Amino acid sequence: SQTIHQWPATLVQPVGSPLSLECTVEGTSNPNLYWYRQAAGRGLQLLFYSVGIGQISSEVPQNLSASRPQDRQFILSSKKLLLSDSGFYLCAWIRTDRNSPLHFGNGTRLTVT
Amino acid sequence: KQEVTQIPAALSVPEGENLVLNCSFTDSAIYNLQWFRQDPGKGLTSLLLIQSSQREQTSGRLNASLDKSSGRSTLYIAASQPGDSATYLCAVSRYSGGGADGLTFGKGTHLIIQP
Repeated sequence: SQTIHQWPATLVQPVGSPLSLECTVEGTSNPNLYWYRQAAGRGLQLLFYSVGIGQISSEVPQNLSASRPQDRQFILSSKKLLLSDSGFYLCAWIRTDRNSPLHFGNGTRLTVT
Repeated sequence: KQEVTQIPAALSVPEGENLVLNCSFTDSAIYNLQWFRQDPGKGLTSLLLIQSSQREQTSGRLNASLDKSSGRSTLYIAASQPGDSATYLCAVSRYSGGGADGLTFGKGTHLIIQP
């Protein structure tokens, strides 16, 4: 069966520090991968999308970046965090065949102080 | 641009009641619609997926309907239980496999089932 792992679960970082969040998917190959951010009262915001290794689409201009070094690994990074980067970050994957549901990881609660 | 609205934003009902959560979307050109459940501090769990050609899907006490032409979906929960307390989100996809747009999500309905 397919599973998705996302870590860390919580993170407290000072302003200006770097960030690296990691997500891996097991039990499937060549999934589409997503990074979403969820802020209180604002719903889910799509940040990055990837259809394959090294292929990243950015939906929102910001100081975050994403990389996909392996087929089932998706990394969210920042060189210098801002206070506004605080939020709940969710990784998700979906099969590319017809009508596959979207599956989420358990999320990372990031607090920038 | 697709917009998804969920009404009500919050709902509190006594245990045992049947209830309906609503979801509306502005662009009827969708590939499918999903309902998710989110517990506090957790990720989203997929509950039901309705293809654009389908009218409804059922899983246990949950039944989701889709009226694509009117841009509406409902999630019916029968015989509600305290364990059903969570935030329920609906999302629509324009393409198979999510696509570049991903899914467009509503802001959710926060449901509390009183014991």
